[in-house]
Amino acid sequence: AQTVTQSQPEMSVQEAETVTLSCTYDTSESDYYLFWYKQPPSRQMILVIRQEAYKQQNATENRFSVNFQKAAKSFSLKISDSQLGDAAMYFCAYGSSNTGKLIFGQGTTLQVKP
Amino acid sequence: GAVVSQHPSRVICKSGTSVKIECRSLDFQATTMFWYRQFPKQSLMLMATSNEGSKATYEQGVEKDKFLINHASLTLSTLTVTSAHPEDSSFYICSALPAEETQYFGPGTRLLVL
Repeated sequence: AQTVTQSQPEMSVQEAETVTLSCTYDTSESDYYLFWYKQPPSRQMILVIRQEAYKQQNATENRFSVNFQKAAKSFSLKISDSQLGDAAMYFCAYGSSNTGKLIFGQGTTLQVKP
Repeated sequence: GAVVSQHPSRVICKSGTSVKIECRSLDFQATTMFWYRQFPKQSLMLMATSNEGSKATYEQGVEKDKFLINHASLTLSTLTVTSAHPEDSSFYICSALPAEETQYFGPGTRLLVL
């Protein structure tokens, strides 16, 4: 069975600074996807970034980028130039290509200080 | 972008009654939808996978007679919580899966059973 672990329950960053959220996963599948979702206080899940496992190049979306280390089964999220609106709970998720199911990590609450 | 709606956003009911939650993909068709449950400050737990035209697949520990799922069309899945009890109070979130392996989430439904 697949598992996803986020070892940082809470993180804090100063506005305009950079922060990295950690995520590790375990799987025996060869084809899969990895995601970071953001859940603000409204509780709407918002896709931040997605990575296909077969791609070596790290995904980037504006201020958000990932460090995907497939051999180490690590998938961290870097947020650059942090903004107050980035404050939310962030979930790392593993997506199975076979079933389409998502397995979520425990989440990391990010606080952005002005 | 891909938009998923849920209705109602919030419902309060008496113990023993049944509650139906609708999940709609507004601008795309989804042969597969998912239902999650989320307790405060916790992660999303997958309850079941809903496939259009076939029976839902439930995760281990989820009572299929308690949580009835119907996927009547390519844009609509419903979750009915039957004979609801206070322990069923939670935040229920649906997601829809278009072709590109990225799940898009509804805004969630907060259920309170008195």
